[in-house]
Amino acid sequence: GESVGLHLPTLSVQEGDNSIINCAYSNSASDYFIWYKQESGKGPQFIIDIRSNMDKRQGQRVTVLLNKTVKHLSLQIAATQPGDSAVYFCAESSNDYKLSFGAGTTVTVRA
Amino acid sequence: DTGVSQDPRHKITKRGQNVTFRCDPISEHNRLYWYRQTLGQGPEFLTYFQNEAQLEKSRLLSDRFSAERPKGSFSTLEIQRTEQGDSAMYLCASSLVSAGGDTQYFGPGTRLTVL
Repeated sequence: GESVGLHLPTLSVQEGDNSIINCAYSNSASDYFIWYKQESGKGPQFIIDIRSNMDKRQGQRVTVLLNKTVKHLSLQIAATQPGDSAVYFCAESSNDYKLSFGAGTTVTVRA
Repeated sequence: DTGVSQDPRHKITKRGQNVTFRCDPISEHNRLYWYRQTLGQGPEFLTYFQNEAQLEKSRLLSDRFSAERPKGSFSTLEIQRTEQGDSAMYLCASSLVSAGGDTQYFGPGTRLTVL
């Protein structure tokens, strides 16, 4: 079936720099997208979501961009901190309940 | 803490044994979801409830798996005759369906190891 995937499995970023995590999806019917952060041994933690009627949404230090034309989603983290080190998952839904997740991007913040 | 809670956090069992996990959703959330996550992968949808009704089951949910949400609050996931391939993190999430969306909030998970 169609699924969401990430461009890169790992990302290393210097503390204080901005991080960009990319995600591609293939289901053109997807209308809801969400980013989660997962630390080792913990469940996924909600970061930010966006619906297909928007192309940008901002939260605290995070911005999600949605490009429906090329089916691309990105998460930008401003001023990356050591506490941002985790695995980041994008997920999509086309039916308002079942989320389909990609494999994740492991972000490592260098001091 | 008013988040989603799961019990136990860890379970080690021998192949062939039955196990049961519990999930307590965020209070007043009407939807509850179960996902399974294996090492290095994203969570995979198993099933979900709206109130007490189980509305969807994934093909991943074999006949050995059963989930209930009898009073529309907490839920249990039972695995009968466990196999080594059942070893995974079992995640529960809950949401409040509204006009604004259906954001799913996850619990800490139950890590199952089948020996």
